[in-house]
Amino acid sequence: AQSVSQHNHHVILSEAASLELGCNYSYGGTVNLFWYVQYPGQHLQLLLKYFSGDPLVKGIKGFEAEFIKSKFSFNLRKPSVQWSDTAEYFCAVRKIGGGGNKLTFGTGTQLKVEL
Amino acid sequence: EAGVTQFPSHSVIEKGQTVTLRCDPISGHDNLYWYRRVMGKEIKFLLHFVKESKQDESGMPNNRFLAERTGGTYSTLKVQPAELEDSGVYFCASSPGRSYNEQFFGPGTRLTVL
Repeated sequence: AQSVSQHNHHVILSEAASLELGCNYSYGGTVNLFWYVQYPGQHLQLLLKYFSGDPLVKGIKGFEAEFIKSKFSFNLRKPSVQWSDTAEYFCAVRKIGGGGNKLTFGTGTQLKVEL
Repeated sequence: EAGVTQFPSHSVIEKGQTVTLRCDPISGHDNLYWYRRVMGKEIKFLLHFVKESKQDESGMPNNRFLAERTGGTYSTLKVQPAELEDSGVYFCASSPGRSYNEQFFGPGTRLTVL
C-alpha cells in the first residue's frame, strides 16, 4: 500500500533559522505531491504542489519544495523561519492512474518557532 | 467566496450513540471528500463523492459509517453506533469539476466518543 513518511514529528527552531522537513513516499508510479499547513485554530491550507515540470516548486510565504524522483522525496524548505510559521505541516501524495483522487497524508510535523 | 464549512465544530457523545456530521462544500464544487485523523496519526481518506454519487468509498472503516450527499450539495456522515475508536477529527474537502484539482479543506469536526 502507498505510504507517506514524514521523518520529523516535532521540530523546534529559533526565528531566522533554516527549515527542512522531510517527506518520502512509497509509490513507484506517477504522483502529484502537496504540502499542506494547519496554523493553530485554522483549517488545512495548501502551501504548494507539484504536478509536473520544474521539480523545484515555490509556494506561499517563502516556502519551497524539491521533488527528487530517484529518492521518492518531496522535502519542504524555508531559508529563514518566522514565529508565524508555527504550525503543523503535512505532506500528501495523490497517485495518478488507478488511485482515484484521494490524498494520502503523512503523519504531520509540528513546527514550533521560538522568538 | 465562502470556504468549506463543517458542523458541528465539536461533538462529545457516549459509546453507542449516533452522531451526524455535516459538510457544506464550496459552491459549485462537484467533488467532496471526507477524511479522518485519529489522534497522533495521519489524516486518512474515507470517501469521495462526485456530485451525489460515491466515486470511491474504499476508506470507510466499516458499516457503522454512512455518508450521503443528496442533491449533490452538502454531505452528511453518520456514525451509528459510535465506538471509542471513532474519536478523532473529521475533515471535509471539496474541489471543482475536474478531479485533479486542489482540494480545499474545512475546519474539521472534533468527535469525542466516551
